[in-house]
Amino acid sequence: GIQVEQSPPDLILQEGANSTLRCNFSDSVNNLQWFHQNPWGQLINLFYIPSGTKQNGRLSATTVATERYSLLYISSSQTTDSGVYFCAVWGTNAGKSTFGDGTTLTVKP
Amino acid sequence: DVKVTQSSRYLVKRTGEKVFLECVQDMDHENMFWYRQDPGLGLRLIYFSYDVKMKEKGDIPEGYSVSREKKERFSLILESASTNQTSMYLCASSPGHGASIYFGEGSWLTVV
Repeated sequence: GIQVEQSPPDLILQEGANSTLRCNFSDSVNNLQWFHQNPWGQLINLFYIPSGTKQNGRLSATTVATERYSLLYISSSQTTDSGVYFCAVWGTNAGKSTFGDGTTLTVKP
Repeated sequence: DVKVTQSSRYLVKRTGEKVFLECVQDMDHENMFWYRQDPGLGLRLIYFSYDVKMKEKGDIPEGYSVSREKKERFSLILESASTNQTSMYLCASSPGHGASIYFGEGSWLTVV
């Protein structure tokens, strides 16, 4: 099946700093999503982005499907950005999504 | 907004008990999923369903079963709970193949 790798596994930032999270995948995809899991465990949809670039406030994402990667940018980070960020892809020939192992982000005040 | 509701947020059950975790979605989505999440192991798919009365095994179906009698409801069943099934369980739904996935708030299950 499709492999999904996220990097870095852990990231510690000072409030106000910018960061880039990466998601690599091993095969062509129909769908790619970024999620933020908050400290209470809920997974919040950030972006549905099988290709191209999207922005939502301080967050933006870019997926280059032909090169099989996606990037999530967080600018001017805040403590509320802390949590785990997951990338999930739905392979072209797959019946289900595959999740990466996540990047744990800690933003210090 | 899509709403995926899991019936219980926190449960404590005894070893050997039968446990039902219920999930309801309000957007007429075709697909529904059950995942479990454990520290260091990420999200692992237990079962999913494409339609009423249809189910497919995910990556870790052993010890679990599911039921989808109505389109909006997908139940996860632990026939005889064991301590290694202590985990957080996440339900999700999506309108179709390759579409956005929406998660419920999660159910924290402790088996003692």
